[in-house]
Amino acid sequence: AQSVAQPEDQVNVAEGNPLTVKCTYSVSGNPYLFWYVQYPNRGLQFLLKYITGDNLVKGSYGFEAEFNKSQTSFHLKKPSALVSDSALYFCAVGRGATNKLIFGTGTLLAVQP
Amino acid sequence: NAGVTQTPKFQVLKTGQSMTLQCAQDMNHNSMYWYRQDPGMGLRLIYYSASEGTTDKGEVPNGYNVSRLNKREFSLRLESAAPSQTSVYFCASSESYSGRFQETQYFGPGTRLLVL
Repeated sequence: AQSVAQPEDQVNVAEGNPLTVKCTYSVSGNPYLFWYVQYPNRGLQFLLKYITGDNLVKGSYGFEAEFNKSQTSFHLKKPSALVSDSALYFCAVGRGATNKLIFGTGTLLAVQP
Repeated sequence: NAGVTQTPKFQVLKTGQSMTLQCAQDMNHNSMYWYRQDPGMGLRLIYYSASEGTTDKGEVPNGYNVSRLNKREFSLRLESAAPSQTSVYFCASSESYSGRFQETQYFGPGTRLLVL
């Protein structure tokens, strides 16, 4: 069965420090991985995705993610966190030969000034 | 270009009442989706429509029906609301279905539903 896990409910980081939001997946075949961000009372916004090619994917707002096939991970990273990055982050994996996504449970990122 | 719009933004229902959640997209996308978001459970797919005229069940379809009215609009209907359907509902769309599951989905702002 295909699944995605976000092991941390919340990540706290000081402004200016690097941040990492973790995601691991389990899927048969080649994975298609996404990161979305949700600000309070808003819909999900697309950040970045990995389909194929370079393992390091760059996305919106200075975020990037590294696909690691051996560790089945797709961690989201940013070199220097901003208070405005505080939001709920979702990892998702494409499932099978469809465009249906399986979402993780989300990680709340809190950036302290 | 408004993207994906949803109405209403918030609704309170009594158990047993019915209602329809509306969704429209102006990006000429072929595929549309309905999700529900519950605390600690991420987003779960209720129904999706790969293209105009087709609909299919997702992970949690029980208690819901959908209508793909045209290419732009995809509605979700609760025939007899239950407290377990209290949730935030999101509509999304993507350009194509056709087995290309790397397509980015674009989400609406959500509808908060409270069933008493």
